[in-house]
Amino acid sequence: DQQVKQNSPSLSVQEGRISILNCDYTNSMFDYFLWYKKYPAEGPTFLISISSIKDKNEDGRFTVFLNKSAKHLSLHIVPSQPGDSAVYFCAALTSPSTDSWGKLQFGAGTQVVVTP
Amino acid sequence: SAVISQKPSRDICQRGTSLTIQCQVDSQVTMMFWYRQQPGQSLTLIATANQGSEATYESGFVIDKFPISRPNLTFSTLTVSNMSPEDSSIYLCSVTSRGQGAVYGYTFGSGTRLTVV
Repeated sequence: DQQVKQNSPSLSVQEGRISILNCDYTNSMFDYFLWYKKYPAEGPTFLISISSIKDKNEDGRFTVFLNKSAKHLSLHIVPSQPGDSAVYFCAALTSPSTDSWGKLQFGAGTQVVVTP
Repeated sequence: SAVISQKPSRDICQRGTSLTIQCQVDSQVTMMFWYRQQPGQSLTLIATANQGSEATYESGFVIDKFPISRPNLTFSTLTVSNMSPEDSSIYLCSVTSRGQGAVYGYTFGSGTRLTVV
C-alpha cells in the first residue's frame, strides 16, 4: 500500500521560473516530511524537511508547504536552475517508537528538467 | 553529516550466485538501513540493520534471501542470495543518528547497481 504518492512523474520548467512539486499522503500518523534530490548514479541527498506541526519551512531557494487537512505537501524551488534537474522524492516519517523508529516511506519521485 | 562508502558501485552477476554489498560510515551512527530501488520505482526499505543482533525485515523481505550483518556502529553488509533477474535493482545503504533523522534527514550511500543475467 503506497502511503506517499507523487502523481506527477515529470516536470519541465524554464530556468528562473518556479518549480512546484506535489506530494500526497494517506497516513495521518506521519510526523515529519522530507524531500530528497537524486542525480543518476548517486544516492538521494536530503534537501529540506518539515514537522507536522508547521505549515511552512524555507531554506534558501527551497520552501516546503504542508496542508495537514488535505494530507498534501509541496516543494517550491525559486528560481529554478539547470543544476536542479534531478529526480525529487517526497518521504514521510513517524516519530520514534519501539517498533517503527526511523522508517522512511518514499513517493515514486518526480523527474524535474530545467531548461535554459 | 556522515559520509558513506558503499561497495561495489555496480556489478553484473550470474543468476543463482550471491553478492555482498558493503556499507562503511566514517562515524558511529545509531541506525543503518538497506533500501532497494527497482527500475522506474521508488525506494523500498528492505531492513533495519541492528548492531549485534538480527536485522529487522520489512514485509516481503526475508533473511534467507537478504542476510544482513552489522558487527559495529560503522559497518554493515547486505547479501543478495541466489539471485534472479528480478533482483536487478539499485541497493542503497542509509544511516542516521537518533533524534537527527527527522530534522537533518537520512544520509544515503551512492548505491550499488546490480544487474543479474
